[in-house]
Parts: sequence; C-alpha cells; structure tokens
Amino acid sequence: DADVTQTPRNRITKTGKRIMLECSQTKGHDRMYWYRQDPGLGLQLIYYSFDVKDINKGEISDGYSVSRQAQAKFSLSLESAIPNQTALYFCATSDQTDTQYFGPGTRLTVL
Amino acid sequence: AQSVTQLGSHVSVSEGALVLLRCNYSSSVPPYLFWYVQYPNQGLQLLLKYTSAATLVKGINGFEAEFKKSETSFHLTKPSAHMSDAAEYFCAVSERGYGNKLVFGAGTILRVKS
Repeated sequence: DADVTQTPRNRITKTGKRIMLECSQTKGHDRMYWYRQDPGLGLQLIYYSFDVKDINKGEISDGYSVSRQAQAKFSLSLESAIPNQTALYFCATSDQTDTQYFGPGTRLTVL
Repeated sequence: AQSVTQLGSHVSVSEGALVLLRCNYSSSVPPYLFWYVQYPNQGLQLLLKYTSAATLVKGINGFEAEFKKSETSFHLTKPSAHMSDAAEYFCAVSERGYGNKLVFGAGTILRVKS
C-alpha cells in the first residue's frame, strides 16, 4: 500500500464551490505539506504543518485553508474555487533529513 | 532566501547518450539538495539527495549528482540514457535546521530519442 494517499485523484468543480482534498500518510512523520504544480512553475508550497498544533502558510496560501485532523491526516480546502486554481495538487510528508515523500496527486479542474 | 535554477526546461538526448541536467542553487547556509523525478500521471519520487556526506551522490536508476560548493551547483548525470528515463526532473534545496521546507526548481523535461 502507498505510504501517502490522496483523495480524490481527479475532481471537476464549478466556480464558487467549496472543495476539500484529503491526504493520509502511514509513514509516521510529523511534518506534512501541500503543494500545487503548474506547468513550467515547478511546485509551490501552499501550507505546511510540523505537528497537529502547528500550521504555517506557504508561498501561495491565499484562497486556501488547511486542517490537520491527526498526525496522519492533513486536508486542503478551497473555500470558493476559481478557475486559476485549476492545477495538480500534491501532499507530502518529510523525515528528519528533509527528504519529502509525495502522494500521487489530485488533478483539480475549476470550470 | 533560497532559490533553485534549472537550466533548460527541455532536454533531448539519444538513447545511450550522456544525460546532464543542470541545477544551480542559492542558500545562505549549508544546504540539503535533492533531485526528484516525476513520470507522467504520477507523484514525485526521490532520485538522490546530498546531506553533507560525500559530495558525489549516487541515486536510483544509475543517476548521480555532484555537489560543488564553489559553483553552487548540483548537476544530475547518467552515463547512458534509456527510454524509460523520459520524465520531468526537479532539483530542490532546503536550509538545514530551518524547518524542512523545500524550494523547487521549475523542472526539466527529459526526452529520450530512439
């Protein structure tokens, strides 16, 4: 089984809708991250969490929120989706050597 | 602030030829450096990492990278390209002890011609 899982894998939604992307990990890591990937821009950090009580904004947090429900679960919400949030979203965890382990991604399309 | 520059958004090589993907970084403290690979419709997979041991780092699938502090570079190489190496490659840097955030380059798409 995969160490980092994301649901859903694909999602099409409409402008203005609220949507939640979920991430679960079985690696036992405290640190979790949400990124978005756009062609030619690499990965940009949205939010990160060093433990259940520690949530931090990344480079591009506007329009997003997160919830760390447990050590193993970290969800990303788009409160009111807009078309320029169409992207590939990745969840990741990291160990003590900064190595990050990525989920398979969620492809989100906002119409 | 950290940054990563990957030279060449697209690189094309023939099967069996040398692969060289370039990465330069900036960091105010000694960095950790990483190369990740992304195959189509998949997440990122760690190829190799430098964390202050040997400057020549060997990774999976025959790839290796050399940390050169004087040149602030961490170029990725493979002596002989295989068709299965076609993918997008990302270089990333983190500042040790500053919270494990990775800063990624924009990526290089590697095409392997038969």
